[in-house]
Amino acid sequence: AQKVTQAQTEISVVEKEDVTLDCVYETRDTTYYLFWYKQPPSGELVFLIRRNSFDEQNEISGRYSWNFQKSTSSFNFTITASQVVDSAVYFCALGGRAGAQKLVFGQGTRLTINP
Amino acid sequence: DGGITQSPKYLFRKEGQNVTLSCEQNLNHDAMYWYRQDPGQGLRLIYYSQIVNDFQKGDIAEGYSVSREKKESFPLTVTSAQKNPTAFYLCASSKGAFAPGANVLTFGAGSRLTVL
Repeated sequence: AQKVTQAQTEISVVEKEDVTLDCVYETRDTTYYLFWYKQPPSGELVFLIRRNSFDEQNEISGRYSWNFQKSTSSFNFTITASQVVDSAVYFCALGGRAGAQKLVFGQGTRLTINP
Repeated sequence: DGGITQSPKYLFRKEGQNVTLSCEQNLNHDAMYWYRQDPGQGLRLIYYSQIVNDFQKGDIAEGYSVSREKKESFPLTVTSAQKNPTAFYLCASSKGAFAPGANVLTFGAGSRLTVL
């Protein structure tokens, strides 16, 4: 069975601090995909990144970066120099091979950036 | 702009009543999904459909029903058999299986159902 664990329920930091959101996954598939979504107060989930299991390179997009480590089954998300607009609930998700489109989501981490 | 429209945004229901949540997409996506979100539990899959006139149960399908008569539409009915229907419901869509980016979901803004 597939499972995603986001152990941090809530995180609160002051603006401009760096913050890392943890994600640990479990799967028996050799091919799989990992995702991060952002849910602002409006409610709509916004896609941030997809990473397949064969690509362990870290990725950076502006202030966002992702660290994928198969050895520890983790796919952590770091926001550098956080801003108030980063306040949201962030979900990590796990999907199977292409064609198996069901995603399993973690419980989510509520991130609050205080001015 | 293409996207997913969910309606109504807020819905109140008396116990014992069925309610239907609407989901329409103009992204030309083949697959559509319904998720339920409860505080502290993340998103759980209710039903999904990969093609018109076909759908499969997700992890928590009991007390719910769906139809997929048109590619653009995937309505969800919350029946009186659903024992704890108060939740936030999210509809999503994606490209067909094996298409590039097939498992990237696009979400609607959600519908919040409250049972009185």
